Amino acid sequence: DAKTTQPPSMDCAEGRAANLPCNHSTISGNEYVYWYRQIHSQGPQYIIHGLKNNETNEMASLIITEDRKSSTLILPHATLRDTAVYYCIVRDPEGGSEKLVFGKGMKLTVNP
Amino acid sequence: EPEVTQTPSHQVTQMGQEVILRCVPISNHLYFYWYRQILGQKVEFLVSFYNNEISEKSEIFDDQFSVERPDGSNFTLKIRSTKLEDSAMYFCASSEMIGKNTEAFFGQGTRLTVV
Repeated sequence: DAKTTQPPSMDCAEGRAANLPCNHSTISGNEYVYWYRQIHSQGPQYIIHGLKNNETNEMASLIITEDRKSSTLILPHATLRDTAVYYCIVRDPEGGSEKLVFGKGMKLTVNP
Repeated sequence: EPEVTQTPSHQVTQMGQEVILRCVPISNHLYFYWYRQILGQKVEFLVSFYNNEISEKSEIFDDQFSVERPDGSNFTLKIRSTKLEDSAMYFCASSEMIGKNTEAFFGQGTRLTVV
């Protein structure tokens, strides 16, 4: 079972920042937070991951709280093409299993 | 940008028939995966494959399923005798290595419809 909790859906206006929350209160010390998204039944797409420090790449920023029990994915300037289901996944990359356990995710709708 | 490619994009088969879903992972990747997504449900892990053998499989991946890397580029998923409940999107994925700084790249999927 997924170890994360996300709201089922969220709306955002085009051009504004989209802040996608995720709770992972049972995260262990070795587990990283990964974010993937799935645009309209296409294959999941990797976005970003982090352990405890905030991370930024060309797609998004990841803010992880100090206690690591929650995180926020930030899309700084959402576009219509960012409409997708976003998955927050916690896993230990060196825990012996490479599988990703997807939950239901959160449907982000970016509105014009 | 390199990508994982899957063929066919859509496969219709009769119940009881064998199907082979094909994937070409990214060329320098060493780890390969199959996932599936039944319509309206979660993406589910099926199997991972490394060094020409299965490294992990889920309980979904029973004796009806098999995977193979027949040559240096293809990675296939075979379903020996399809059932109606095998209808789903099947996603192939690959990663360069395993560990904390390696992400999995997914293909666009094959939609399998069993009639």
